[in-house]
Amino acid sequence: GAGVSQTPSNKVTEKGKYVELRCDPISGHTALYWYRQSLGQGPEFLIYFQGTGAADDSGLPNDRFFAVRPEGSVSTLKIQRTERGDSAVYLCASSIGPNQPQHFGDGTRLSIL
Amino acid sequence: QQQVKQSPQSLIVQKGGISIINCAYENTAFDYFPWYQQFPGKGPALLIAIRPDVSEKKEGRFTISFNKSAKQFSLHIMDSQPGDSATYFCAAIPTGANNLFFGTGTRLTVIP
Repeated sequence: GAGVSQTPSNKVTEKGKYVELRCDPISGHTALYWYRQSLGQGPEFLIYFQGTGAADDSGLPNDRFFAVRPEGSVSTLKIQRTERGDSAVYLCASSIGPNQPQHFGDGTRLSIL
Repeated sequence: QQQVKQSPQSLIVQKGGISIINCAYENTAFDYFPWYQQFPGKGPALLIAIRPDVSEKKEGRFTISFNKSAKQFSLHIMDSQPGDSATYFCAAIPTGANNLFFGTGTRLTVIP
């Protein structure tokens, strides 16, 4: 079956621009997570959705970052006024429910010039 | 502050040998400890996981050893193969939470 799908796989944009990153979770998975992975580091938690609601957004670094999941399936991570420090791989994961194994997509590699 | 400390940073093992990666934590609220394998350009893939009520879990060539009193856990890869060459991450989740705290990763190279 299909795994977690993330688009685009690569995104290059200029400092100050707005970007949207999309995540399609595994069908039937109610929990969805966003992580950010900098080069040579482990992923760092950003936000967790259970259904349509953000159950935990404590990892979002500042108010330039926002995520939505309006119908409880696809999620979009939005970054406003991008900065060079936002360059990283943004990973999405899903699980069949809370406290269940998380399955990751291959990520979106975001480069801010 | 790194909540899960992982070592070594890199590891080179001969084919057929045993690869051992170690992790330690301080937060006693952690109650689920997965290991992930990541190949370049790919997302982390869940390998094996353990809860603190058992001291060891084995799946094929992969074994997790868990020492609750020492707050340490390790991954052993038996009969290491060149195809095992990847970066391995330990992780932990606190009770009642859903976000993974990852270690800094170990880059494993298995030499043919």
